[in-house]
Amino acid sequence: QVQVVQSGAEVKKPGASVKVSCKVSGYELSMHWVRQAPGKGLEWMGGFDPEDGKTLYAQNFQGRVTMTEDASTYTSYMELSSLRSEDTAVYYCTTVGIAVAGNYFDYWGQGTLVTVSS
Amino acid sequence: DIQMTQSPSSLSASVGDRVTITCRASQSISSYLNWYQQKPGQAPKLLIYAASSLQSGVPSRFSGSGSGTDFTLTISSLQPEDFATYYCQQSYSPLALTFGGGTKVEIK
Repeated sequence: QVQVVQSGAEVKKPGASVKVSCKVSGYELSMHWVRQAPGKGLEWMGGFDPEDGKTLYAQNFQGRVTMTEDASTYTSYMELSSLRSEDTAVYYCTTVGIAVAGNYFDYWGQGTLVTVSS
Repeated sequence: DIQMTQSPSSLSASVGDRVTITCRASQSISSYLNWYQQKPGQAPKLLIYAASSLQSGVPSRFSGSGSGTDFTLTISSLQPEDFATYYCQQSYSPLALTFGGGTKVEIK
């Protein structure tokens, strides 16, 4: 049985950084991160590409986000720096399934609410 | 980036209705299209991958079709637990994965 468990809610001040963790069991550790601002849609942030072993970052987050993985503990981390109010959102990690026609996000964590407020 | 446009943005339907949601890509994405369901306060759930493949455990009333730029998610007979928001997502461009804006299915 696959389980994806994320760290708890965070409150940060503008300009600070946040690091969210995501522990997976029963699945390969190749996580992607997706965020959702309050009342808004889903936005892909980046993740590990299992086909070439590289970490991909969405252009909107280049230079501000770092995604790492600790294979020994099956834990993935997403760190976002220089936080601003617009970064207030629920951050999800998700596993990646591989199909002939592209990859898909099959198992999701419960989400981590990050609130950026002075 | 490839833009994904869903229509309608919301719809009202009754239990038992056949519901169709459309997703259009700004360029051809072959069959690199996935569908997700999200209920309030919950994480998204994968329904359909590669345009028409049903994810394990998803009821057969859900189906997906299409290729190129135009795709459809169909719920053959809407059930009470299907009231949710649905998102499409393209995986054709792995450096820039994008989601549609969502379609909210509400009770009529």
